Order: sequence, then structure tokens, then C-alpha cells
Amino acid sequence: KAGVTQTPRYLIKTRGQQVTLSCSPISGHRSVSWYQQTPGQGLQFLFEYFSETQRNKGNFPGRFSGRQFSNSRSEMNVSTLELGDSALYLCASSLGFTGADTQYFGPGTRLTVL
Amino acid sequence: DAKTTQPNSMESNEEEPVHLPCNHSTISGTDYIHWYRQLPSQGPEYVIHGLTSNVNNRMASLAIAEDRKSSTLILHRATLRDAAVYYCILVPIGNDMRFGAGTRLTVKP
Repeated sequence: KAGVTQTPRYLIKTRGQQVTLSCSPISGHRSVSWYQQTPGQGLQFLFEYFSETQRNKGNFPGRFSGRQFSNSRSEMNVSTLELGDSALYLCASSLGFTGADTQYFGPGTRLTVL
Repeated sequence: DAKTTQPNSMESNEEEPVHLPCNHSTISGTDYIHWYRQLPSQGPEYVIHGLTSNVNNRMASLAIAEDRKSSTLILHRATLRDAAVYYCILVPIGNDMRFGAGTRLTVKP
């Protein structure tokens, strides 16, 4: 079974631009979560989607948004990029959201904002 | 949010057992205890999880205290490939995993 895939793997943008990252979950998984990882703040939860509905959101500004499509693929968007948005963005998928469900992580998208 | 406390770093010798502790005194009754690890330049990888009883899988064992306020991840024979940051996370219904700083495990040959 194919794992979680994320595209692109690397991205360089300049301040003020916007960016869209894509995540394809494991086949059959309906929950997709997004995380931001930086050296200073570690791994931080962004949001979680299940069946096209955002169920949970972390403590990030409204510039960070996402969506999930009917095939469970998900995208996240960051508008008006700031230097501090430079990070590794990780996507994880799971069957559900019971708390017992294992999350499977993708390799991440490394975003650099200049 | 229920939080966990882990040592910043630990060292182990290759082929010896490793016990990684985690304190979670504010755990609620429906929180699952999950362990993930992150190898350099990779996304986190699931290791094991449990609710109340001790758990074993091919990667590790999870020992959960009777009051559930602490747990220990046990790697039975550490290898160099086990060098990683290990995260202990409380996962409620809803999947919003709140990672702490984790424990950086160094394995010496």
C-alpha cells in the first residue's frame, strides 16, 4: 500500500506570496492532519480534516487554511507569507479520529520564505 | 490540553534495552498514549499506543502505570537505527496530537 505523499517536497517563496501544499493520504484513510515543524517551536498541530470537514484547528493565524476533497486528498494554503513561515510542513493520514487511530506521516514539504 | 514531560535526551549502548519515560499527570480517561519517533530528515513514525494495559508489538513495548499518570517505552535491544527523537503524546478523540519536545535518543556502538 502506498504511503502518504506530499508535493512539492521543496519550495522557495518570497515574503508576501502565497503557497499551496498538497497531501495524498493512504488509500482508505479519511482523516488528514497537518503539522508545522520548526527548530524553535517543534511540531505544532495546524488542523485536521475528516470527510471534507475541518474538525480541529490549532493556534495559527487565519493566513493558514486548508481543505479536503471528496477523495480525501488535502491541500493547505498559506497566504501573505512571512519569514517565520519557513518550516517543514507535514501531513498525516489515519482511518478515523478515535484517538486510537494511528497517524501515518508523509515526508513533508520544506518551505523556505526569503 | 493534557501535556507530557520527557527527558530532553538519553543515551544507550547498542544491543542493550532502553527505557524511555514519560509523565502525563493530567491525562484524562479517554486519552490514548501514543509514541512516535522521528529519524533525521524524515516525518514522524508510529511506534506504539495504548489506553490502560501494557502493549507489545514488533518494534517496542509500552508499560502504562496503573494510575495512567506515567508510561515507559521499552526498546528491547537498541540498534543504531533506533537513534531518533521519541515523542510521547496524549491523543484524545479528535486526533489533534500536541507534540512536546520529545527525547533525543543516542545509541552508541
